[in-house]
Amino acid sequence: TQLLEQSPQFLSIQEGENLTVYCNSSSVFSSLQWYRQEPGEGPVLLVTVVTGGEVKKLKRLTFQFGDARKDSSLHITAAQPGDTGLYLCAGQVGNQFYFGTGTSLTVIP
Amino acid sequence: DAGVIQSPRHEVTEMGQEVTLRCKPISGHNSLFWYRQTMMRGLELLIYFNNNVPIDDSGMPEDRFSAKMPNASFSTLKIQPSEPRDSAVYFCASSLTGGSQPQHFGDGTRLSIL
Repeated sequence: TQLLEQSPQFLSIQEGENLTVYCNSSSVFSSLQWYRQEPGEGPVLLVTVVTGGEVKKLKRLTFQFGDARKDSSLHITAAQPGDTGLYLCAGQVGNQFYFGTGTSLTVIP
Repeated sequence: DAGVIQSPRHEVTEMGQEVTLRCKPISGHNSLFWYRQTMMRGLELLIYFNNNVPIDDSGMPEDRFSAKMPNASFSTLKIQPSEPRDSAVYFCASSLTGGSQPQHFGDGTRLSIL
């Protein structure tokens, strides 16, 4: 059983569309991170959120941490082919760090 | 500035052989992590070091796996003997902040055990 469940598992959309992916848990996290991984490469850290309700923006990407610090969402506006990749959430509970199951996003030109 | 460097990038070997994966963390980083990634299980932490000392090795599958960090700039992950179920992508990551969160990942070693 995974501590962090991500949905959807796979997502294929047309260039220019908006999308949201989710990261859910029954545990409370002291911090939560989002990474993007491209084929043949390691994950790259995009953002860290630490406060319940916190919203961070990175260009067309908007990250939100749930009020109870148990979940998070990533919204992409006007998706581009360069957004294609595996999106991983990860979080810290105590001194343990866990990765989610991932959402594989494909943006079709 | 060089990132985390892993070698080899690809390894194909027969079961029963010894496999050694290598990692050079980012200079100045004091935490180093070894992860394994498969389609079925995603990213799994195998072991991490703080200041060259193993902190959490609970993810190491069994005695066939061992990891060392003889100095701040080098680590190895060894599998002996290797088995087909060890086939995966193995990532090394490092962090400046210490603790259990990896900040920078290498590009991985794709390991295939035949």
